[in-house]
Amino acid sequence: DADVTQTPRNRITKTGKRIMLECSQTKGHDRMYWYRQDPGLGLRLIYYSFDVKDINKGEISDGYSVSRQAQAKFSLSLESAIPNQTALYFCATSDSSPKRNSYEQYFGPGTRLTVT
Amino acid sequence: AQKVTQAQTEISVVEKEDVTLDCVYETRDTTYYLFWYKQPPSGELVFLIRRNSFDEQNEISGRYSWNFQKSTSSFNFTITASQVVDSAVYFCALRASGTYKYIFGTGTRLKVLA
Repeated sequence: DADVTQTPRNRITKTGKRIMLECSQTKGHDRMYWYRQDPGLGLRLIYYSFDVKDINKGEISDGYSVSRQAQAKFSLSLESAIPNQTALYFCATSDSSPKRNSYEQYFGPGTRLTVT
Repeated sequence: AQKVTQAQTEISVVEKEDVTLDCVYETRDTTYYLFWYKQPPSGELVFLIRRNSFDEQNEISGRYSWNFQKSTSSFNFTITASQVVDSAVYFCALRASGTYKYIFGTGTRLKVLA
């Protein structure tokens, strides 16, 4: 089974609808992130969370909100979807443990969201 | 400011050719981490390698090799004897020590033609 899972994998929704993207991980990592990918722009950070009680805005948080329900779960919500939020969304995790000294992020398979 | 530049937007090679993907980074931090990720046509992002700023040894893994040069702020990725399965978008990323933020380049699309 995949270490980082995202649901749904694909979603088409209409402008103005509320939508939630979910992310779960079994890696035991404390840090979780949400990114969006747009063609030619690479990955841009929406929100990140260092633990359940620590949630922070990234560079493009407007129009989005998040919830860290547990260490293993991090959800992204679009309160009122708009067409320019059409993108590929990735959840990622990383481990801050100094013992591991790793720091690489591990990504979920992505959610392709289309807002019409 | 931190920045990652992947100047090559798209590269096409014929199978079995060698190809190098360039990555140039900017950071004022003395401790930082560099990464390469692969995004195949299926869309997932696959971690390939991490390099710490204090470890300038180059690395080879099968047909893949990475050349880290602090003097030129570059972390280039070479695929030897490319294969069609290497076709993907490759991202270089930077993380400074003590920060949360990972800075990604805009990616290089590699097409390996049979």
